[in-house]
Amino acid sequence: RKEVEQDPGPFNVPEGATVAFNCTYSNSASQSFFWYRQDCRKEPKLLMSVYSSGNEDGRFTAQLNRASQYISLLIRDSKLSDSATYLCVVKRDGGFKTIFGAGTRLFVKA
Amino acid sequence: DTAVSQTPKYLVTQMGNDKSIKCEQNLGHDTMYWYKQDSKKFLKIMFSYNNKELIINETVPNRFSPKSPDKAHLNLHINSLELGDSAVYFCASSQSGRDNVLTFGAGSRLTVL
Repeated sequence: RKEVEQDPGPFNVPEGATVAFNCTYSNSASQSFFWYRQDCRKEPKLLMSVYSSGNEDGRFTAQLNRASQYISLLIRDSKLSDSATYLCVVKRDGGFKTIFGAGTRLFVKA
Repeated sequence: DTAVSQTPKYLVTQMGNDKSIKCEQNLGHDTMYWYKQDSKKFLKIMFSYNNKELIINETVPNRFSPKSPDKAHLNLHINSLELGDSAVYFCASSQSGRDNVLTFGAGSRLTVL
């Protein structure tokens, strides 16, 4: 079993849709949490950090539930440019170990 | 000015050869990493170095030898290349600390024939 699990998708949604991604992690020693985005044949880039209090950045909302070891990402009003792979990421071991989920692919269609 | 730069971007070579990939960061970070992304797109940590010291070695075959001559550089040398080594290798850096994020290089696509 992988330490960080995500639904691989793909999610195919029309423009303007709301889409939610889920992620679970198995190591309770995980300390910090992030969502990254990876476009085809590009490097991963930070989308946002995730906190227990929840955080929002424009159309993106991330939430962490430490008790359930569950992380979510909500994208509202999807744009064509949101098409990418979304990677759930956890850090532990003092931050020296950053572990990526396998990613969830999103296709937003016109 | 690229924050994390890797060379070469593409590498095609025969089985059994030895090759190196270089990485440099100009962000002043103290921690650098190598990740491997295989054909299934799974991004797996290989090594983590902090202030030139090896911190994480994720049971990578000893054909892979990282070297960090200083905090700004982390190179990866691979001996006796195998078909299964074909992948995209990403270098990344961060400042140490649990909340600090990774910045990735553009990746080096290695194809072993």
